[in-house]
Amino acid sequence: EAGVAQSPRYKIIEKRQSVAFWCNPISGHATLYWYQQILGQGPKLLIQFQNNGVVDDSQLPKDRFSAERLKGVDSTLKIQPAKLEDSAVYLCASSPRRGPGLENNEQFFGPGTRLTVL
Amino acid sequence: AQSVTQLDSHVSVSEGTPVLLRCNYSSSYSPSLFWYVQHPNKGLQLLLKYTSAATLVKGINGFEAEFKKSETSFHLTKPSAHMSDAAEYFCVVSDRDTGRRALTFGSGTRLQVQP
Repeated sequence: EAGVAQSPRYKIIEKRQSVAFWCNPISGHATLYWYQQILGQGPKLLIQFQNNGVVDDSQLPKDRFSAERLKGVDSTLKIQPAKLEDSAVYLCASSPRRGPGLENNEQFFGPGTRLTVL
Repeated sequence: AQSVTQLDSHVSVSEGTPVLLRCNYSSSYSPSLFWYVQHPNKGLQLLLKYTSAATLVKGINGFEAEFKKSETSFHLTKPSAHMSDAAEYFCVVSDRDTGRRALTFGSGTRLQVQP
């Protein structure tokens, strides 16, 4: 089966510009996640969707970051305006399972988008 | 709340010698635990996972990990390192009993394999 697709793979912008990332999860996966991975650190969750609803966006800087998942499939993550500290790899992941009590929460990751803010 | 501590930021071994990457976790609920590997300029790949079945978990490429609840540890081991094992390794925890179910990553351990 096809994996999680992300585009673009690389993006370079100047501070205060806006940027958008796109993610297409594995077909049939109900849950979609966006993570931010700053160089030298582990990925940090930004937002979690269940179908087209937001489950957790507690760590999303809502003054500049926004995300949507229309129709419960593809998702876009936007930054406006970008700051220098937003330079990172943005990872999208999807999971086929949902709900408490289930044994498996394996997530499948895309290749990521590397953002450089100058 | 859940958290993960990877006890070593860098580990260096010689090819053919054993690998030990250490991880301790904290979780308010029954945890799922994972090890992911990240090679340079590549995506995260799942090595193995613990989800409440056998405490000794076998993964891909000869890696295995043992869940020890009394020690809140989930250390990753491999009997004999290969050059291709050089990468960044992340220990990850997820709460199985909550609807949130997002992954909490450790800060990573960079494994170097010397010839």
